[in-house]
Amino acid sequence: DTAVSQTPKYLVTQMGNDKSIKCEQNLGHDTMYWYKQDSKKFLKIMFSYNNKELIINETVPNRFSPKSPDKAHLNLHINSLELGDSAVYFCASSLGHSGNTIYFGEGSWLTVV
Amino acid sequence: QQQVKQSPQSLIVQKGGISIINCAYENTAFDYFPWYQQFPGKGPALLIAIRPDVSEKKEGRFTISFNKSAKQFSLHIMDSQPGDSATYFCAASGYGQNFVFGPGTRLSVLP
Repeated sequence: DTAVSQTPKYLVTQMGNDKSIKCEQNLGHDTMYWYKQDSKKFLKIMFSYNNKELIINETVPNRFSPKSPDKAHLNLHINSLELGDSAVYFCASSLGHSGNTIYFGEGSWLTVV
Repeated sequence: QQQVKQSPQSLIVQKGGISIINCAYENTAFDYFPWYQQFPGKGPALLIAIRPDVSEKKEGRFTISFNKSAKQFSLHIMDSQPGDSATYFCAASGYGQNFVFGPGTRLSVLP
């Protein structure tokens, strides 16, 4: 049973396209996140939702739009993809939005060509 | 004040040796300090965590040492094995505080 699952795992697309990454967690957590990991392995938070409400929105281009239809799902839609968007995107979840363990998905490898 | 500093950036250890990774933080509101382990192609996974009411926590070959006054904590991997080769992230969080990750340490354990 995968706790935090995200699809697709690999995504290769052309510049200018729009793509979505889906995420679901079955841990009963109320907080979900999107992180971006670049080639240097830095983990940078992009968004955080608590009970479907946006609580963290870091400096991210507005081409990135998260959507949380319910507490168990947090999807990431990216418009007009650019070469610099190539990275690994991790979905994660936790109970509460501070002071507790964050559980990560396996990652979605996005390559923009 | 939200930063967590981590060193070294990379570490090479012989099999059977001790791996030590250090982290430092500034925000005294942090009260939860986890370490995450990430293998290539996988997501980070919780390895071990400590809260500041204790100065040390040990789980198998992995030990966290915590120095509250110095605002530092470290991960010690005893009897390091090639299977421990991964990227390790320290992190910090607390009530009302966002989760903050260190920049990571790439550990290579040579057979």
